[in-house]
Amino acid sequence: DVKVTQSSRYLVKRTGEKVFLECVQDMDHENMFWYRQDPGLGLRLIYFSYDVKMKEKGDIPEGYSVSREKKERFSLILESASTNQTSMYLCASSGTVPTRQYFGPGTRLTVT
Amino acid sequence: AQSVTQLGSHVSVSEGALVLLRCNYSSSVPPYLFWYVQYPNQGLQLLLKYTSAATLVKGINGFEAEFKKSETSFHLTKPSAHMSDAAEYFCAVTYAGGTSYGKLTFGQGTILTVHP
Repeated sequence: DVKVTQSSRYLVKRTGEKVFLECVQDMDHENMFWYRQDPGLGLRLIYFSYDVKMKEKGDIPEGYSVSREKKERFSLILESASTNQTSMYLCASSGTVPTRQYFGPGTRLTVT
Repeated sequence: AQSVTQLGSHVSVSEGALVLLRCNYSSSVPPYLFWYVQYPNQGLQLLLKYTSAATLVKGINGFEAEFKKSETSFHLTKPSAHMSDAAEYFCAVTYAGGTSYGKLTFGQGTILTVHP
């Protein structure tokens, strides 16, 4: 069965901390995505990657960076966490054709 | 550029009633359209997708959606609501271009409440 896993379901961090969110997929997918989800705003794309070491900015990249050193793993990095980055973060992956994306369970991050 | 508008952030129906969740899209190229469902504290699950084959698409859990190009719509329906359908529903669009990489643009979401 297809699986996308995220390293934490819930995370609490302090303002100014460096935060790493990890995502792993087991489907050999080329494309991986990071979204943040906020009430009333739907899902907004932060960054995506279409190959190892390749990355592209999404709609709201400010304050975030990403890393993809291996095909199965895509990391989201908050260099200096701020309270306005408190949100649900969802990772997804997909194959080469524009087909469905498979989503992880999400990480609910609270920055205090 | 592409965009998605879901009309109604909250929809409430009685158990056994028709469910209708509205989605309109904007795309300059032929779209691929999706409906996802999110149950509390979970990730998104695919309900159904339109990828330029049949315009009436059947999905899981008795849901279906009809692609209407003239109306730029992809509304989600279910003839008879069940309590277990209570969740948040997202419409999303992408396209088959070389630079799309399958990026999805999501609507704002519609929370469906089902009353006994």
